[in-house]
Amino acid sequence: DIQMTQSPSSLSASVGDRVTITCRASQGIRNDLGWYQQKPGKAPKRLIYGAYTLQSGVPPRFSGSGSGTEFTLTISSLQPEDFATYYCLQYKSYPGTFGQGTKVEIK
Amino acid sequence: EVQLVESGGGLVQPGGSLRLSCTTSGFAFSEHYMDWVRQAPGKGLEWVGRTKTKLYSYTTEYAASVKGRFTVSRDDSKNSLWLQMNSLKTEDTAVYYCGRDANGSPDDWGQGTLVTVSS
Repeated sequence: DIQMTQSPSSLSASVGDRVTITCRASQGIRNDLGWYQQKPGKAPKRLIYGAYTLQSGVPPRFSGSGSGTEFTLTISSLQPEDFATYYCLQYKSYPGTFGQGTKVEIK
Repeated sequence: EVQLVESGGGLVQPGGSLRLSCTTSGFAFSEHYMDWVRQAPGKGLEWVGRTKTKLYSYTTEYAASVKGRFTVSRDDSKNSLWLQMNSLKTEDTAVYYCGRDANGSPDDWGQGTLVTVSS
């Protein structure tokens, strides 16, 4: 199985900060990667697919980059509603595998 | 509006069985792969399984942790998806989500249904 290593596991940031989350794949996954946001008690919400394609309706302050084994989710200016847990998901091969998650907390 | 609604969760003893349902509306169900993803209490997300479309012979794929115990099925005429779970273990305790696949990964999800495996 492909392992996804996500970092950091948590971070504290202020409104307006630029935030970067990284996922590393144990082998190349082309750009078959998605990013999800999850708030407590809610289903995940897809933000990005294909490593960098913004899901319809998602604010442009979210962006994704990378290919192969290293990927990044960037929030250009953190907003109050962005405090949540973020996960990457590789879907290059079965089984799909998620990163461990990054909890973004208020500083 | 795309809607997915899971049901069938509950308390079951170790070794028991449970069948989860996911009823959908608002999209062309038959054209989409469908996924199950779960989340143990306080833990991260885990991909469980997938059913492909008729074009791909409704092929299914599973995580190693559930292979041989869980079965994903669908009925396109009913716009519905199921997860049959057998030989349940305490570590299967989780909220189970069904997801509509688009562009390779789930883009819409149900609200989840809680499965608790305990004696």
